[in-house]
Amino acid sequence: EPEVTQTPSHQVTQMGQEVILRCVPISNHLYFYWYRQILGQKVEFLVSFYNNEISEKSEIFDDQFSVERPDGSNFTLKIRSTKLEDSAMYFCASSFQTVLGDTQYFGPGTRLTVL
Amino acid sequence: AQSVTQLDSHVSVSEGTPVLLRCNYSSSYSPSLFWYVQHPNKGLQLLLKYTSAATLVKGINGFEAEFKKSETSFHLTKPSAHMSDAAEYFCVVSDDQAGTALIFGKGTTLSVSS
Repeated sequence: EPEVTQTPSHQVTQMGQEVILRCVPISNHLYFYWYRQILGQKVEFLVSFYNNEISEKSEIFDDQFSVERPDGSNFTLKIRSTKLEDSAMYFCASSFQTVLGDTQYFGPGTRLTVL
Repeated sequence: AQSVTQLDSHVSVSEGTPVLLRCNYSSSYSPSLFWYVQHPNKGLQLLLKYTSAATLVKGINGFEAEFKKSETSFHLTKPSAHMSDAAEYFCVVSDDQAGTALIFGKGTTLSVSS
């Protein structure tokens, strides 16, 4: 069964450094998403992406964040200058709208630790 | 605005006994509702989805959920818990349009004892 994959599984970085989290969505999906889950808190939506542009973003997704689909398979989330509060689990998801609606399928996540 | 409230942060059951995880939603229109499960150190796995075709929705691993509009509820049940069901469960609401955000509840931790 096709699945969303994410790399790395765990990333440790120093405050102020740039990080890029990578995702490979399910191959025939057209919509891509990033969510995050700070330890002990609920899963929060960051951004959705379709046709090479952002469809929707939350207030969390400020100028420090950017997303890109650099080729036909990868979808990336870049954090330009990491802060301690960016430490979280980051989930990528993808979906494909059908007449039955839309269902998002999630990857296993990347745990980001900012020191 | 849409929201979900999971009424219990932690539920403990014995193996072989029924499971009930409670969820209430708020939506100004007919929503789509989901249950996702997260096992320790794993990603989010879709358990089941409601989209108005039927009020009783069957999911994977013997779970099911019933949509009750009058009560704005979407509780998750399973007749007999298994040790492998121990995980975090999230009730989720969306407007079922691609590209839009899923709104998650805070989650319910299910513990299963032998």
